[in-house]
This record gives sequence, C-alpha cells and structure tokens, in this order.
Amino acid sequence: EVQLLESGGGLVQPGGSLRLSCVASGFTFKNYVMNWVRQAPGKGLEWVSAISGSSGSSYYADSVKGRFTVSRDNSKNTVFLHMTRLTGEDSALYYCARPPGLGVWGQGTTVIVSS
Amino acid sequence: DIQMTQSPSAVSASVGDRVTITCRASQGIGNYLAWFQQKPGKVPKRLIYDASTLQSGVPSRFSGTGSGTEFTLTISSLQPEDSAVYYCLQHTTYPHTFGQGTKVEIK
Repeated sequence: EVQLLESGGGLVQPGGSLRLSCVASGFTFKNYVMNWVRQAPGKGLEWVSAISGSSGSSYYADSVKGRFTVSRDNSKNTVFLHMTRLTGEDSALYYCARPPGLGVWGQGTTVIVSS
Repeated sequence: DIQMTQSPSAVSASVGDRVTITCRASQGIGNYLAWFQQKPGKVPKRLIYDASTLQSGVPSRFSGTGSGTEFTLTISSLQPEDSAVYYCLQHTTYPHTFGQGTKVEIK
C-alpha cells in the first residue's frame, strides 16, 4: 500500500525555523517527484514546493522562495522541507503529496507560528 | 505563473440536482488538470485526473471535461455525502496552482 507519513510540525516563534519530514512507503520512491502542499486554517490549498526524484531540480511557490528548502534522502525514502524565517502566514497543515496529479497524500503535519 | 480561476465560490443545491464547477486556466495546460474533494478535517481526495479520468472508486456521478484552458467538474445527481469543498489543480508546470475552491452545500 502506498503511504506517506509527515512529521516535524509544531509551535515555532516568528522568525524561527522548522524541518518537516515525509516518509514514503509502498512505491519506488526515487522514481517520483515529491511535493509539499499546505492549507492554512479555513483557507484553500496552496502548492508549496517540489523536488525531482534525483534531487537535481527543486521548485518553490513565490511565497516561500528563498526561505524554504526542499531536499530528499532516497536511501531513507524521505523528503524534507526546511523552513526558515517563519511568519504567521506560514501557519498551516503541511501535506506531502505524490504525482501523478498529486494522487497520493499524507495525513499532514501542523505548523503553528506564534509567539 | 499559471492562474486557475474557479467558479462559483459556493453553490447550494438540492439532492438530485446537477452541479457544475468550472476552472479556467490563464494559459493552456493541456489536460494536466485534477479535481479534488475535501471534507472538513479530512485529507483532499482526488476525484478526477487528466481532466476527465475518474479515479478508481469514485462514484460515476462525478465527471470531468475540458482541455486547454476551460475545465468543468459535474456532479450529475447531487447526494448528501457530496457536501464538501472542491478544488481544481493544474500540474503542467511549476508552480503548480490550485483553484480557490468551491463549497458545495446541500439545501
């Protein structure tokens, strides 16, 4: 069974940093681009970032470019999202998702940015 | 970046009604369009991919059409369990972009 399991969320102060993880199972991880999508409370879905299977290419939404870094460890079937200079607008439920067409999602991990 | 304009933002309809949601892309995206359903507190669930292919296990009352810049999701006969927010997603280029969402309510 294909599964994605996020972790690493929590409460962080404005300006702080946090690293999210997403462990994959049930498929050949290295063959897939992996995405991060977030949803602020009561708001819509926002695509955040993606990384190619080989880590050769990464992509970001304008709202996080320069602050967030996506990476992966194919030996551990894990994709990471390193978030820095966090603000309240980054508070959200963060999902990892797998193509094609984001057909597979994890359960999400919650990030709260607050003093 | 490609913008996805979804309409309406909300719709209230009766059980058995036909409901149509539209997404318009700011430039052509081929058929790289998916539709998602999200119920409160739940993970988004993909209903349609490649603009018109029904995800396995999704009821046949859901259908998707379109290509290029105009796409529609149709619920042919609305059921109580269809109350949810629906989103379109373009995944032809990065950044991927979602529509703003359509809240479907049952009268």
